Amino acid sequence: QQQVKQSPQSLIVQKGGIPIINCAYENTAFDYFPWYQQFPGKGPALLIAIRPDVSEKKEGRFTISFNKSAKQFSLHIMDSQPGDSATYFCAASTGKLIFGQGTTLQVKP
Amino acid sequence: DAGVIQSPRHEVTEMGQEVTLRCKPISGHNSLFWYRQTMMRGLELLIYFNNNVPIDDSGMPEDRFSAKMPNASFSTLKIQPSEPRDSAVYFCASREDILNTEAFFGQGTRLTVV
Repeated sequence: QQQVKQSPQSLIVQKGGIPIINCAYENTAFDYFPWYQQFPGKGPALLIAIRPDVSEKKEGRFTISFNKSAKQFSLHIMDSQPGDSATYFCAASTGKLIFGQGTTLQVKP
Repeated sequence: DAGVIQSPRHEVTEMGQEVTLRCKPISGHNSLFWYRQTMMRGLELLIYFNNNVPIDDSGMPEDRFSAKMPNASFSTLKIQPSEPRDSAVYFCASREDILNTEAFFGQGTRLTVV
């Protein structure tokens, strides 16, 4: 019940494409859903986060869509760039912060 | 602030040796997390503290692993004895409080047990 399931494991898109990464959770006590971005050799860094009282949040080219009834949320990257190539993690928190398995994104020039 | 500081950045040790990883959280942060990252298992939460008290250690894999937070500015993760399957990158993260705010990660310690 504490798991967060993330898909796909890897994703390749062309520059300008819109990669979508999906996550699902079971524990309805989770009340904070962040996305982290990680570059090789670095620690994860917060990209964007949402709380379950809203269905969508946008920050720049990054959008989270949240479906509370389905217990699912997703990250969309608009107009993706080669510099967006990284590993992306969804997470969920009740205080305890649990991560999905990660998605390795490659954006081709 | 310099962010979350972990040491060492890299550690190579022989099987059976004791390994101690260190973390200095951001000043003023009351919650601290230890994670282990591998290709197979992703980012696993090992233990987290709030106000220096361990809140949940259910992710600690075995009795060989122990973690302490003697004060608000320092935490250790110890593995004794170490085994090759402990090889991974270990991250420490801190956040302001137990409520749901941004967690800041250190650069990690890459541990190799040979």
